[in-house]
Amino acid sequence: NAGVTQTPKFQVLKTGQSMTLQCAQDMNHEYMSWYRQDPGMGLRLIHYSVGAGITDQGEVPNGYNVSRSTTEDFPLRLLSAAPSQTSVYFCASSTGTGSAYEQYFGPGTRLTVT
Amino acid sequence: AQSVTQPDIHITVSEGASLELRCNYSYGATPYLFWYVQSPGQGLQLLLKYFSGDTLVQGIKGFEAEFKRSQSSFNLRKPSVHWSDAAEYFCAVGARGFNKFYFGSGTKLNVKP
Repeated sequence: NAGVTQTPKFQVLKTGQSMTLQCAQDMNHEYMSWYRQDPGMGLRLIHYSVGAGITDQGEVPNGYNVSRSTTEDFPLRLLSAAPSQTSVYFCASSTGTGSAYEQYFGPGTRLTVT
Repeated sequence: AQSVTQPDIHITVSEGASLELRCNYSYGATPYLFWYVQSPGQGLQLLLKYFSGDTLVQGIKGFEAEFKRSQSSFNLRKPSVHWSDAAEYFCAVGARGFNKFYFGSGTKLNVKP
């Protein structure tokens, strides 16, 4: 079991460039989420998905797109990167049922937008 | 709206001393409650969680937390801190049935030798 994997680990973008952060999990979890972590602000929810084909917005969705075509993958797309999107991005997954209702986090992607 | 407050941004304790990290939440019903730990440059690791039942929950690495409904709190405790406990700690609230989680801003723990 690899758990939750994220690629790349580090990325530098210029303002206006686009890119996709990859997230995959091999635990057959229905729920997947994307968070950004900024100093002094904890983790803020960007988008989440409750299953293949179903996504919804979190607290800070502007500037980001997601899709969920399979249970395993949940990519996050930055359409036109801005310096305000410099952050560490975490993907997480969970089963969302009973005592298994907890999130497993990937190792993160550190993104810098210049 | 749901929210989580961790009032202490930084805490320094001596090795071997006891520790209490505070967490207050705002939620309309009984939430799911979690504590996570993050070492520098790492992802988040679950320390413990509360869903229902006994309000004192035990976690990994010798940590425990107590849910107090009347105070809307879920404070994390450890009787004797080790140097390896130096990290950032996050409290989180999960909305029952919605699988949405809200995190506090974190408390950085420094351990003095």
